[in-house]
Amino acid sequence: AQSVTQPDIHITVSEGASLELRCNYSYGATPYLFWYVQSPGQGLQLLLKYFSGDTLVQGIKGFEAEFKRSQSSFNLRKPSVHWSDAAEYFCAVGVPFSGNTPLVFGKGTRLSVIA
Amino acid sequence: DGGITQSPKYLFRKEGQNVTLSCEQNLNHDAMYWYRQDPGQGLRLIYYSQIVNDFQKGDIAEGYSVSREKKESFPLTVTSAQKNPTAFYLCASSIDGKTGNTIYFGEGSWLTVV
Repeated sequence: AQSVTQPDIHITVSEGASLELRCNYSYGATPYLFWYVQSPGQGLQLLLKYFSGDTLVQGIKGFEAEFKRSQSSFNLRKPSVHWSDAAEYFCAVGVPFSGNTPLVFGKGTRLSVIA
Repeated sequence: DGGITQSPKYLFRKEGQNVTLSCEQNLNHDAMYWYRQDPGQGLRLIYYSQIVNDFQKGDIAEGYSVSREKKESFPLTVTSAQKNPTAFYLCASSIDGKTGNTIYFGEGSWLTVV
């Protein structure tokens, strides 16, 4: 079965600094990959997703993610973090052509932004 | 506005009581999901439904029950058999349940059992 690991439980960055959140997956082929963001006490919102093709994916709010097959990774990046980016970020993986198998979510990375 | 509405936002119950969390969507989505979120645990799937009158157990279904009598509604009952029911519960939906489709989430419901 597929699985996803987010190695960093909590990351703190300064406003204006660059950000990279790590995501590693376990699956025999190329999975579907997603990043979601959750503000405190709220639901999740999709930032971006990767199915195939160009390995660099652009999302909303200035985020991007890069799929690296050799490293089984799908890291999320942002060149300049804003205070409003403080939230929890979840990576998720899905199995292509599996019918309707629900996504598997990582445990999340909490991002704090300091002035 | 189209979306997913969960109610109530906050709910307190005494131990041993069953409680039902409401989830309604007006997105015309076929698939609906219930997740439980605990600090440091991420999202864990409780139940999901791909079509009316059908649903499947997720990873942590014990102590929970659901129904899907209408397309737009997917209520979750937390029974007294659930040993640690205090958590944040998220309802979600997608257009047809296929793995690649975007999942849309409600705002969540906080359940505290004392």
